[in-house]
Amino acid sequence: AQSVAQPEDQVNVAEGNPLTVKCTYSVSGNPYLFWYVQYPNRGLQFLLKYITGDNLVKGSYGFEAEFNKSQTSFHLKKPSALVSDSALYFCAVRDIRDMRFGAGTRLTVKP
Amino acid sequence: EADIYQTPRYLVIGTGKKITLECSQTMGHDKMYWYQQDPGMELHLIHYSYGVNSTEKGDLSSESTVSRIRTEHFPLTLESARPSHTSQYLCASSTYNEQFFGPGTRLTVL
Repeated sequence: AQSVAQPEDQVNVAEGNPLTVKCTYSVSGNPYLFWYVQYPNRGLQFLLKYITGDNLVKGSYGFEAEFNKSQTSFHLKKPSALVSDSALYFCAVRDIRDMRFGAGTRLTVKP
Repeated sequence: EADIYQTPRYLVIGTGKKITLECSQTMGHDKMYWYQQDPGMELHLIHYSYGVNSTEKGDLSSESTVSRIRTEHFPLTLESARPSHTSQYLCASSTYNEQFFGPGTRLTVL
């Protein structure tokens, strides 16, 4: 079965600094990978996805993610973090039946 | 505008009550899902449907039931709510490549 792992429960960065939220995947075949963001008391919002093509995927709110096949990773990045980026971030992989989500990483951006 | 809706957004009820959480989508998606999520924690799939009259249980055992009589509607029912059911419930629908989530229902059972 397809799966993803988010090795960090929490990531803290200062506003204006670059941020990275890590995700590794385990799949058979070509992976369909996603990042979602969840703000307090809200559902998940789609950020970006990798299906095929360029390894660097650009998404909403200035986020991007790099697909690295050799390292089986799909890390989420942003060059300059904002306090408003503070939220819960989920990596996901499409499986036959549904999406498989990671455990989530809480990003806190401090002023 | 195509979207996915959940009602109520917040619900506080007493033990033993029967409740139904509503989920509707206007995107014409065949696949729909219910997830249970404790605050700030991972998502657990509890039910899914591939279309009308199709319902399946997910990975996490749940005492809830679902129905899919219409494509756009996927309600979740708890016959007798208990404090252990206190959680956030997220509904989603999907195309082949992407899932779309509703805003969630935060349920508290006293």
